[in-house]
Amino acid sequence: EPEVTQTPSHQVTQMGQEVILRCVPISNHLYFYWYRQILGQKVEFLVSFYNNEISEKSEIFDDQFSVERPDGSNFTLKIRSTKLEDSAMYFCASRLAGSDTQYFGPGTRLTVL
Amino acid sequence: QKEVEQNSGPLSVPEGAIASLNCTYSDRGSQSFFWYRQYSGKSPELIMFIYSNGDKEDGRFTAQLNKASQYVSLLIRDSQPSDSATYLCAAHLMEYGNKLVFGAGTILRVKS
Repeated sequence: EPEVTQTPSHQVTQMGQEVILRCVPISNHLYFYWYRQILGQKVEFLVSFYNNEISEKSEIFDDQFSVERPDGSNFTLKIRSTKLEDSAMYFCASRLAGSDTQYFGPGTRLTVL
Repeated sequence: QKEVEQNSGPLSVPEGAIASLNCTYSDRGSQSFFWYRQYSGKSPELIMFIYSNGDKEDGRFTAQLNKASQYVSLLIRDSQPSDSATYLCAAHLMEYGNKLVFGAGTILRVKS
C-alpha cells in the first residue's frame, strides 16, 4: 500500500541553524501539507501546497519557514533559523484531488538545542 | 477561530466493552470529519471519515455525525488492549485551503 515517507526520522540541531525536513508524498497525490505537534499538544496545521504554490499558511508559518517541491517526488519544509520552540514532531500529509482524506507520514522529530 | 473540542480522558474501558469517544466542533462550515488514532510518538493513522449525518460503520468502528448539534462520535465495539491510544478528531475546512483542524485527542485505555 502506498504511503507517505519522511526523512530524517529524528533531527537534532543547534538554535539558529537551518534545517530541511523531507517528505515523499503518495505518488498520485496532488495536495501536500505540513503539520506539527509539540509534545503533549494538538496537531497544528502549518501550510498547504498545490500546483507549486502555497494554498494557505497558518500564523505559525512565518518568514522563517518555507516549502518547496524541488522535483516530481519530494516536498520539503525549511526552517531558516531554528528556535527552541520549533522543537516538535513535523508531519507531512498528502491527498488525492477530489478527496478530503489526508494520509500522514511517520513524522520527523526535530530537537533544537 | 475554528475549534474542535474533545474530552482529554483518559477513558478506561474493559476488554470487550464499547468505547465511546466524542467531539464537538465550532465551525458550521466544516464539511467532513475524520477520526485518527495516534500511538505515543507515532503519526496519526486514519480510522474513519464521515461526511453525512447519521452513522457509518466499518468493522468494529462506527462514526456518528450530527451537524445540527455539531457533534461527532466514534464507537469502538469489542475493544481490545491494542486499541489503547489517543484518538484524534479532525474537521476539514474546505474554504481554508482544505486544512484539517484537530482536537487535542482523547486517551483510550482498554484494560484486559
